[in-house]
Amino acid sequence: DAGVIQSPRHEVTEMGQEVTLRCKPISGHDYLFWYRQTMMRGLELLIYFNNNVPIDDSGMPEDRFSAKMPNASFSTLKIQPSEPRDSAVYFCASSLSGVEGNEKLFFGSGTQLSVL
Amino acid sequence: QKEVEQDPGPLSVPEGAIVSLNCTYSNSAFQYFMWYRQYSRKGPELLMYTYSSGNKEDGRFTAQVDKSSKYISLFIRDSQPSDSATYLCAMSPLSGYKYIFGTGTRLKVLA
Repeated sequence: DAGVIQSPRHEVTEMGQEVTLRCKPISGHDYLFWYRQTMMRGLELLIYFNNNVPIDDSGMPEDRFSAKMPNASFSTLKIQPSEPRDSAVYFCASSLSGVEGNEKLFFGSGTQLSVL
Repeated sequence: QKEVEQDPGPLSVPEGAIVSLNCTYSNSAFQYFMWYRQYSRKGPELLMYTYSSGNKEDGRFTAQVDKSSKYISLFIRDSQPSDSATYLCAMSPLSGYKYIFGTGTRLKVLA
């Protein structure tokens, strides 16, 4: 299995621009999570989906952030308009429920976002 | 107060030393406890997973959970330079639910 695939690996943009981050979870996994990591705040959960349905988006910082999961193999996190304080590493992770010992998150390699 | 507290380090130890990494938490509903290792510029990878209280051993790694004290530990025996990374604890009240991470402890194992 190729694991969780995120794109792009690096994104540099100017303040005010729209940014779209993409994620392909591990095939068969039914949970998908978006996290943001910064030195100051560590790993923060933004939103997670179960079977393509958003379950908890209480971690999404503002209305500028939105996430979609149109099918089981693809999710996007969009920031519009972007601001310098959005600069961070954004991780996507997936997991499989219903199996003993399944409570494991598998992370992608992350997208390093820099907003100038 | 954060739900999960973790000393950021850095923690520097000589090769071969026993390393102890710890997290405390405030939510008594947490049932699942995990330790992740994160190398620089990489995503976290799962090291150890424990349900409820007790110990779990896997090679050089031992995870301990003390729910009465709301305290979890990861021990690394015979530490190696390749163990140099950031170690994150994570916990969740339910399977497949939202995981809460500590901020991570940076570990350096010196050759």
